[in-house]
Amino acid sequence: SAVISQKPSRDICQRGTSLTIQCQVDSQVTMMFWYRQQPGQSLTLIATANQGSEATYESGFVIDKFPISRPNLTFSTLTVSNMSPEDSSIYLCSVEDPGTGISGANVLTFGAGSRLTVL
Amino acid sequence: QKEVEQDPGPLSVPEGAIVSLNCTYSNSAFQYFMWYRQYSRKGPELLMYTYSSGNKEDGRFTAQVDKSSKYISLFIRDSQPSDSATYLCATDSWGKFQFGAGTQVVVTP
Repeated sequence: SAVISQKPSRDICQRGTSLTIQCQVDSQVTMMFWYRQQPGQSLTLIATANQGSEATYESGFVIDKFPISRPNLTFSTLTVSNMSPEDSSIYLCSVEDPGTGISGANVLTFGAGSRLTVL
Repeated sequence: QKEVEQDPGPLSVPEGAIVSLNCTYSNSAFQYFMWYRQYSRKGPELLMYTYSSGNKEDGRFTAQVDKSSKYISLFIRDSQPSDSATYLCATDSWGKFQFGAGTQVVVTP
């Protein structure tokens, strides 16, 4: 299965600043997904990043707040802009992984996550 | 109403006990069902995958799906301290994934 590297693994940020999270995959993938994981809540999809086109954002998430880049088939970044304490969360990069050996299955492989704390 | 409901726990069991985890879902269109395991400071990793009603076994793990009741379960037999993690159920319908909030499991020696 795909191996995903994310950085930073954690950071403490000041209110009003922005932070960019990087996601590197060891194989070429069409779509990359960015999720948010808040304590006690379900994984929430922020956006889907396709190479060569603008990211598709889910309801409640906007490009000005979470700009995404997808310069090639193995890399993506998510920026959390103008952060507030409510943005404190784990941000996860994910890809659909056909390498699981499960025929016809869509399964997601995740990076280790980036834990952001906003003061 | 959330599309996938899962009790957050924590669920504490002694080593060797059976761990029973459950989720309910609301959309009968969901076709595929997964369980992910997430250790502290790690991303979720796929544990079990099934697409039909019934049981699927993999070692000490059994995933059970009851589509008529919209109910999915995960059983861990002979639980070990290394099974201490958060377990997330998930569904997939045409590439759209929905996750439960995760149940924290603690297996005490």
